[in-house]
Amino acid sequence: AQSVTQLDSQVPVFEEAPVELRCNYSSSVSVYLFWYVQYPNQGLQLLLKYLSGSTLVKGINGFEAEFNKSQTSFHLRKPSVHISDTAEYFCAVSDRNFNKFYFGSGTKLNVKP
Amino acid sequence: DTEVTQTPKHLVMGMTNKKSLKCEQHMGHRAMYWYKQKAKKPPELMFVYSYEKLSINESVPSRFSPECPNSSLLNLHLHALQPEDSALYLCASSQDLDRGNQPQHFGDGTRLSIL
Repeated sequence: AQSVTQLDSQVPVFEEAPVELRCNYSSSVSVYLFWYVQYPNQGLQLLLKYLSGSTLVKGINGFEAEFNKSQTSFHLRKPSVHISDTAEYFCAVSDRNFNKFYFGSGTKLNVKP
Repeated sequence: DTEVTQTPKHLVMGMTNKKSLKCEQHMGHRAMYWYKQKAKKPPELMFVYSYEKLSINESVPSRFSPECPNSSLLNLHLHALQPEDSALYLCASSQDLDRGNQPQHFGDGTRLSIL
């Protein structure tokens, strides 16, 4: 079975500063990796996904993530955050043959002016 | 605009009421999901339908009854719920269930409050 760890429950950051949200997974098989964002009173919106190929993937809203197989990590980064990036961020994994998602516990990004 | 539509957006019901949550998608997806999300927690999978058949039931109490009338619609029938069932209920869809490389597309959810 898969498991996902998001080490930081909350990340406060000032506007225009860079940010990294950490995600580690454990799996004995190859996985696919996803980052979702959830704004208040909304559903989850896909930010980006890693399926194969280049380990650096770019997503919407200026976010990117790097897949590191040896460290079993998929950290999310943005070089300069905006107030509007304040939201909950979830990392998720699924295995190759079954589209059941395993979510991390989430990281609340709080961007301050 | 979300491609998965959920109605109603908010629902308040008593413990003896019967109500239904509805979900609709027109992306041609053949897998549809119900999740329950409590405040400050990740979504928890409840049910999965694949090609209109129930594939996964994550040991959900029988007071929750899913239904998939056709490939575009997913319902969740509610009866005799408990206060702890108050949560955001999310519907999602994906192309199919047999490959893990497809993102799930989420609706904005129904906020359910049990009095």
